[in-house]
Amino acid sequence: EVQLVESGGGLIQPGGSLRLSCAASGFSVSYNFMTWVRQAPGKGLEWVSVLYTGGGAKYADSVKGRFTFSRDSSESTLYLQMDSLRSEDTAVYYCARVAWDGYYFDVWGQGTLVTVSS
Amino acid sequence: ETVMAQSPATLSVSPGERATLSCRASQSVSSKLAWYQQKPGQAPRLLIYGASTRATGVPVRFSGSGSGTEFTLTISSLQPEDFAVYYCQQYNDWPPLTFGGGTMVEIK
Repeated sequence: EVQLVESGGGLIQPGGSLRLSCAASGFSVSYNFMTWVRQAPGKGLEWVSVLYTGGGAKYADSVKGRFTFSRDSSESTLYLQMDSLRSEDTAVYYCARVAWDGYYFDVWGQGTLVTVSS
Repeated sequence: ETVMAQSPATLSVSPGERATLSCRASQSVSSKLAWYQQKPGQAPRLLIYGASTRATGVPVRFSGSGSGTEFTLTISSLQPEDFAVYYCQQYNDWPPLTFGGGTMVEIK
């Protein structure tokens, strides 16, 4: 079964750092583009980052320079390192797989909540 | 950046009726448009991609149409499990990949 499971969310103070994990099963993260999408409480969906199979990544302007998307292929795990966190980063963070034929998202994890507050 | 606008924000429909949801792009996205369904407390689920292709396992009562800047998601006969929020997303012009603000389909 194809599945994504996120973890690592929690309460963090402004300016702090947090690393989210996304464990993949049923497919290889080495051969698929992957993405993070977030959703602030009661709000819509916001794209955060895409990780290419070659290891490079693109980011939304709102997180560029603060977030880093990476993977450990041997463990089929993806990571989102989040630094210099702000209150506006408070959201549920979803890991998702990018489809093979376009940048839409065909498999989603259940999400992990990040709360940035003092 | 391509801005996606969805209307209406909320749609009140009785079970068994047809629902028509709209999504408009600020510039042409060709047919690179996806629709997602999200129920409370759940992750989004892919319904439609390529503007009109149903994803695996999606019931035939869901259909997508449009190209360029105007798109429609139609649910032909609403079932109780269809009451949810629906989002469109363009993937033609990026970064950033952008979503519409969502349409909530509620029970009338």
